[in-house]
Amino acid sequence: DTAVSQTPKYLVTQMGNDKSIKCEQNLGHDTMYWYKQDSKKFLKIMFSYNNKELIINETVPNRFSPKSPDKAHLNLHINSLELGDSAVYFCASSQGTPRSGNTIYFGEGSWLTVV
Amino acid sequence: GNSVTQMEGPVTLSEEAFLTINCTYTATGYPSLFWYVQYPGEGLQLLLKATKADDKGSNKGFEATYRKETTSFHLEKGSVQVSDSAVYFCALSDNSGNTGKLIFGQGTTLQVKP
Repeated sequence: DTAVSQTPKYLVTQMGNDKSIKCEQNLGHDTMYWYKQDSKKFLKIMFSYNNKELIINETVPNRFSPKSPDKAHLNLHINSLELGDSAVYFCASSQGTPRSGNTIYFGEGSWLTVV
Repeated sequence: GNSVTQMEGPVTLSEEAFLTINCTYTATGYPSLFWYVQYPGEGLQLLLKATKADDKGSNKGFEATYRKETTSFHLEKGSVQVSDSAVYFCALSDNSGNTGKLIFGQGTTLQVKP
C-alpha cells in the first residue's frame, strides 16, 4: 500500500525523446509536487499543484509540462530530452502546504538517464 | 531569499558514536523546520520536525531543537548504528507568499562503520 507511487522507477532514453513519469497518491492529500534531485543530491522543487491548480512553477524549461488530471495524480511529461535532464525525479504530496508544519510525503523516485 | 545550509559531508563515524549534523537557516518570518532522511536507493522520509521556536522534534533516537536565536536546527543522536547510514536533509518551509514550498539544504551523507 505505497502512499506515493511513481512509475517508472528507472528510465534510460536517448536524447531528443519525449517521456512521461506518472505519480499517484492514496493519502487523500490536496497538494502534489515534483522535485528534481541532481547528481550531487541537491533537491529543488519544480512544480506544485493544489486541488489540480498549478501553484508553484519554478524556473523550469518549457520542455517540462506537469499535468494533474485529478487530486490524486500528477504526471510529468518531458519533451526533447537533453543530457542535463538526467536526474532523480521525486513526486510528493501533502495535505495543505508545509508552511504550517504539514509533512510532505515522497515517492521512491524515478531515475532518469538520458544517453 | 530563504535558504538552508548544512555541514559538508561525508560524516564517518563508528557504531555507537555521538552524531551531530549542523543545520542553519535564513528565513523571513517563522518557518517550520524539518529533517528528512534518504536511505540508499530510496525516497525521502520525514525524520522529525518542529514548527515553532524552542520546539524539539524527536524520532528513532534522533533529536533537533528549533533555535531562533541562532537560526539553527542541528540534528543529534546519542549512539548511531550502521543502519543509520544515509543522506540527511535539513529543510524549511518557505512561508513567503501563499505557496509555502519546502527548501532543502544540500544534504549530509552519514557513513557508520561497525
